Amino acid sequence: EAGVAQSPRYKIIEKRQSVAFWCNPISGHATLYWYQQILGQGPKLLIQFQNNGVVDDSQLPKDRFSAERLKGVDSTLKIQPAKLEDSAVYLCASSSGGRLASYNEQFFGPGTRLTVL
Amino acid sequence: KQEVTQIPAALSVPEGENLVLNCSFTDSAIYNLQWFRQDPGKGLTSLLLIQSSQREQTSGRLNASLDKSSGRSTLYIAASQPGDSATYLCAVNQAGTALIFGKGTTLSVSS
Repeated sequence: EAGVAQSPRYKIIEKRQSVAFWCNPISGHATLYWYQQILGQGPKLLIQFQNNGVVDDSQLPKDRFSAERLKGVDSTLKIQPAKLEDSAVYLCASSSGGRLASYNEQFFGPGTRLTVL
Repeated sequence: KQEVTQIPAALSVPEGENLVLNCSFTDSAIYNLQWFRQDPGKGLTSLLLIQSSQREQTSGRLNASLDKSSGRSTLYIAASQPGDSATYLCAVNQAGTALIFGKGTTLSVSS
């Protein structure tokens, strides 16, 4: 079974530029998550999708971050304009969804390391 | 608000030692708890998932326990090897929501 795919793996941009990250979840997984992991910290949720609807985006800085999940499969996370403090690893994860605890095991992609200069 | 704490932040041991990593959480109303491994510059690899009704899970040299009432979990690594060197993250799941992570324990195993 193929895992969660993310691209690009690395990105370096200047502040105030824009950047986009792509995620392809495990086939059939209804729930998709974007996490931000700052160096030395645990990942923190940015946005959670259930199929193509947003479940939780309370921690997404909406003035500069946006995300979409078209057709309930792939997802794109965009930052515009980027700030120095956005330097982090952006992780995408997916899970089967559903109310049984076993359905909520999350599987993570390799992440995109963003450096903002 | 759920908070997850991991102690110690860093740990160095010689090869062959058995070791315990600790995780505590403030709200016992969890669905499950996951332990992850993260190698430098890499994503997260799921090691073990313990459902709220379970007390422990085992995979090879790894054993994770869960005491929901006291808000604690431990990850036991037997006969540690240099290849076990990585950061270990604990995360809790509350009713299908996103995971809430601790800051991790960075383990270094010397040969």
